[in-house]
Amino acid sequence: SAVISQKPSRDICQRGTSLTIQCQVDSQVTMMFWYRQQPGQSLTLIATANQGSEATYESGFVIDKFPISRPNLTFSTLTVSNMSPEDSSIYLCSVADSGGNEKLFFGSGTQLSVL
Amino acid sequence: DQQVKQNSPSLSVQEGRISILNCDYTNSMFDYFLWYKKYPAEGPTFLISISSIKDKNEDGRFTVFLNKSAKHLSLHIVPSQPGDSAVYFCAASGNTGTASKLTFGTGTRLQVTL
Repeated sequence: SAVISQKPSRDICQRGTSLTIQCQVDSQVTMMFWYRQQPGQSLTLIATANQGSEATYESGFVIDKFPISRPNLTFSTLTVSNMSPEDSSIYLCSVADSGGNEKLFFGSGTQLSVL
Repeated sequence: DQQVKQNSPSLSVQEGRISILNCDYTNSMFDYFLWYKKYPAEGPTFLISISSIKDKNEDGRFTVFLNKSAKHLSLHIVPSQPGDSAVYFCAASGNTGTASKLTFGTGTRLQVTL
């Protein structure tokens, strides 16, 4: 299993500002995933962060709004840019099990509230 | 288009009884299914999974049943314990061996009462 540290755990932000969420893993991983869970909704994949290349974004998510960095095999950041109240969600970092299956390990999440 | 559905947002079960959480899916290409448990202020944790080549997988108190013809799976917890109180997410994948395309349901909040 992987231990994932994510911070901040929660934040309250003003409309129009940006927030960067950090994710640190205790082992080297090829891919890191960023998910969002809007209130009452399912977990939705935002993008896959690949080390050494640009992130791969899912339909409905764009790099300008959610820029991602992946400077090494144990760290990634997700920035929520120009925030609006609709961005109020839980943001989760995750990595895949090293066994090559579909199992994911998640960080504890960042609870974001935008006023 | 919600491809994985958990139609019961909440469930209350008495301690010691069986908890049954249900999940339906629409995409016939899904071939691997997982259940995750989430406590407040924590990330989801993997609970149990099942491949489409099986119809049952058991791990201690947790059993997952898959009915491919009905596109339905269920998680049975027996006996239920107060520590099982959490939100349970069903997830499905159509790319066996890759974790990047999990589709999650909206979750069922289970409360186990004394």
